[in-house]
Order: sequence, then C-alpha cells, then structure tokens
Amino acid sequence: QSALTQPASVSGSPGQSITISCTGTSSDVGGYNYVSWYQQHPGKAPKLMIYDVSNRPSGVSNRFSGSKSGNTASLTISGLQAEDEADYYCSSYTSSSTSFGGGTKLTVL
Amino acid sequence: EVQLVESGGGLVQPGGSLRLSCAASGFTFSSYWMHWVRQAPGKGLVWVSRINSDGSSTSYADSVKGRFTISRDNAKNTLYLQMNSLRAEDTAVYYCARGRLALFDPWGQGTLVTVSS
Repeated sequence: QSALTQPASVSGSPGQSITISCTGTSSDVGGYNYVSWYQQHPGKAPKLMIYDVSNRPSGVSNRFSGSKSGNTASLTISGLQAEDEADYYCSSYTSSSTSFGGGTKLTVL
Repeated sequence: EVQLVESGGGLVQPGGSLRLSCAASGFTFSSYWMHWVRQAPGKGLVWVSRINSDGSSTSYADSVKGRFTISRDNAKNTLYLQMNSLRAEDTAVYYCARGRLALFDPWGQGTLVTVSS
C-alpha cells in the first residue's frame, strides 16, 4: 500500500487535457512544497517532469504543469499527445524520507 | 551528458548478498546526494536509501534498515548498495538517482535483482 494515493488509470483523447491527483496527508504533501512527478514508459527509467510542486525542469514541455491544494497535489497535461501515454508517479518529501504514489496509467485514446 | 549506469544485479538465493554499483559521469559526483529507488515487477516505485554528498550521512526505508548499506567512493564517482539477508520481496529493478529527497534527476537504467531459490 503506497503512502500517496493516485488513481490507477486515467484516459483522454489527443488534444484534450487530463489531471492526475496525488493525495497524502499533512505529514507529506500538505506539509512541504516538495512534490515531484515522474513519467515512466514501459521498460524505461522514470523521468522527472515536475519538481517542488510546480516547477518544470529544462527540456520538459510546458504542456505539463503541477499544483497543490492542501493535502492533494495535481499534475495536468494539456494538449494530450500519443507520446504522453505512460505511467505517472508522484512523490513527496516526508520526515527524512520520500514517499511515492502507486502510479497512474495514462491512456491516450 | 549526465549519466548513471547501474550494475551488479542478478539471481541470488534467499538469505544471500549482492552489491550493486552505480557509475556516474558528466557531473561533479561529490557535490550531490544520491539515492537508490526500487520497483518490483509490475509495481510502483519505492525509495530505498540515500547518502549525502560526502558520505557522512545515510538513511534507509524501514523495509531494508539493518540489511542494506549505502556507500559511495567520490574518487571513483561510484555509488554502492550492499544488500544482505535478501528476501523474495526484495526482488525488483534497482535504480540509482541523483538529487535531494523528493527530487530525483536523472535516473540510471536500472539493474534487476531476483531473489529466488
């Protein structure tokens, strides 16, 4: 059982926007602005997409954005493209450790 | 180019030991915290351990505390994970990653550890 809760799957059509939620507690997501999001394609290593809630690393498309409200963080992908189909994981700092969500499989219809 | 390359995975019997290595290149290794994160087959990511830049401070997930030891050799730009008393539930792809807690970038390609008799 993961410390952070994500929906198991989400889907959307090309060009649409989707949002993936990541729910924790005041001890992790709600307590720190240290939430990050990772994209993982099958058989590949995870890739950092968002860090510190809403910051995008250099080279990541501005179609990816992050936010947080209370104990829930969110990743929004706008203008969905076929290449966005992947697993997405959130993570949060918590008491000298890091918790991950269980992952969300994004299907582009 | 920043690169992390893991090695040392393989098949080991329950109760056995294995040492993983992660060779770093393309950045000043001695300036960064480093981490190990694992992923069991078909499952999600789980943080395992971290070490600070000079190796003086470490921390571990409860599931591996007392069995795994993280270390580094800054002269060789290499991170290690010594895994003892291995259990079936330790079976996973093990990734090394650079960064602070809750910020891992980049990740290596991973090395598979299988614990089975």
